[in-house]
Amino acid sequence: QKEVEQDPGPLSVPEGAIVSLNCTYSNSAFQYFMWYRQYSRKGPELLMYTYSSGNKEDGRFTAQVDKSSKYISLFIRDSQPSDSATYLCAIQETSGSRLTFGEGTQLTVNP
Amino acid sequence: GAVVSQHPSRVICKSGTSVKIECRSLDFQATTMFWYRQFPKKSLMLMATSNEGSKATYEQGVEKDKFLINHASLTLSTLTVTSAHPEDSSFYICSASLRTGNEQFFGPGTRLTVL
Repeated sequence: QKEVEQDPGPLSVPEGAIVSLNCTYSNSAFQYFMWYRQYSRKGPELLMYTYSSGNKEDGRFTAQVDKSSKYISLFIRDSQPSDSATYLCAIQETSGSRLTFGEGTQLTVNP
Repeated sequence: GAVVSQHPSRVICKSGTSVKIECRSLDFQATTMFWYRQFPKKSLMLMATSNEGSKATYEQGVEKDKFLINHASLTLSTLTVTSAHPEDSSFYICSASLRTGNEQFFGPGTRLTVL
């Protein structure tokens, strides 16, 4: 069993839709949760970073963590064509330690 | 803030040559830098963890004599692919961790093509 599971998609939505991206993990020792966005042929860009259960909002993005279910989500409201990218969840056990990545979900927002 | 650069962004070389890739944290000091490799449509694969002033820690299956890592300062780490072969062709990405934080910030990546 992989430590982090993420549906690779591809996911295609119309502009303005709400997008839900999800990851599950198996190790309850994971404490820190991140979402990265990666455009084609570019390095990943940190979107959200959380370390506790609950929601964290930043503009059109909301990160949700449920430690009891070992489940994390990223919601994108009012999706735009510029949001088309691969979204990677990443999980960390301790501060500054290695990240464990999901496979990434390829998202396309159609105008 | 938290900008990480990589140089070169793209390199094409002949089989058997060595290639050096630089990773710099431009506006912060990074206690730890990480080197990843990414294949097309795949996730990032951690190759090694590099701490300033000490030897890098390599992941299982990564040849340390093949992929030389030097973390000479709090803002610079280098990855040298020695005696490169076509199977080393890949997208190499570094990340840097802030001295006081958990987040990792990634460089733009280096695309290596070995002919």
